[in-house]
Amino acid sequence: NAGVMQNPRHLVRRRGQEARLRCSPVKGHSHVYWYRQLPEEGLKFMVYLQKENIIDESGMPKERFSAEFPKEGPSILRIQQVVRGDSAAYFCASSSPDTQYFGPGTRLTVL
Amino acid sequence: LAKTTQPISMDSYEGQEVNITCSHNNIATNDYITWYQQFPSQGPRFIIQGYKTKVTNEVASLFIPADRKSSTLSLPRVSLSDTAVYYCLGHGSGNTGKLIFGQGTTLQVKP
Repeated sequence: NAGVMQNPRHLVRRRGQEARLRCSPVKGHSHVYWYRQLPEEGLKFMVYLQKENIIDESGMPKERFSAEFPKEGPSILRIQQVVRGDSAAYFCASSSPDTQYFGPGTRLTVL
Repeated sequence: LAKTTQPISMDSYEGQEVNITCSHNNIATNDYITWYQQFPSQGPRFIIQGYKTKVTNEVASLFIPADRKSSTLSLPRVSLSDTAVYYCLGHGSGNTGKLIFGQGTTLQVKP
């Protein structure tokens, strides 16, 4: 992992609460991707952002999920009114032109 | 994005060379082939990337035949710590967006 930071590493929320997941890309990278991984499954693409722009959100659920990558600061994945099915590992990646480097992930548990 | 097919699982013993082959029949002319390694509860770790022929780094070798319809990841002298899931992906060059992860190959290294 070439320096992608994610926090928190573990997040516990009760149903109906909000979850905010943060991702700081490798210094100098301006492209960020979010993926979700359910237990025993592969990673599923959610959203691709550049600074201040959403490039591809084809993998985002239509409701409750949003993402941003502001000019300053980390990228944020926000899940409103969490449900038990949102429990998963969420990984962020940033890219040099040809390679995505992944962070350690945030494990979200919804009680 | 190239659709990839790889074995679900493989077993090996410490000290052996392991070769994992990935099929990508519909790979585009400009697509790269990238392999990632993932340990439980961690983000995917970049192993190696190539376009054609052979690429070698301190961790692995990647063999890509002239027709580019398949590729083989070679891990020399595996150890117990190489037990992980290995993903093969075909994707465009540049910041071209999402990666499509399959189920990967679960490699189990035995003592």
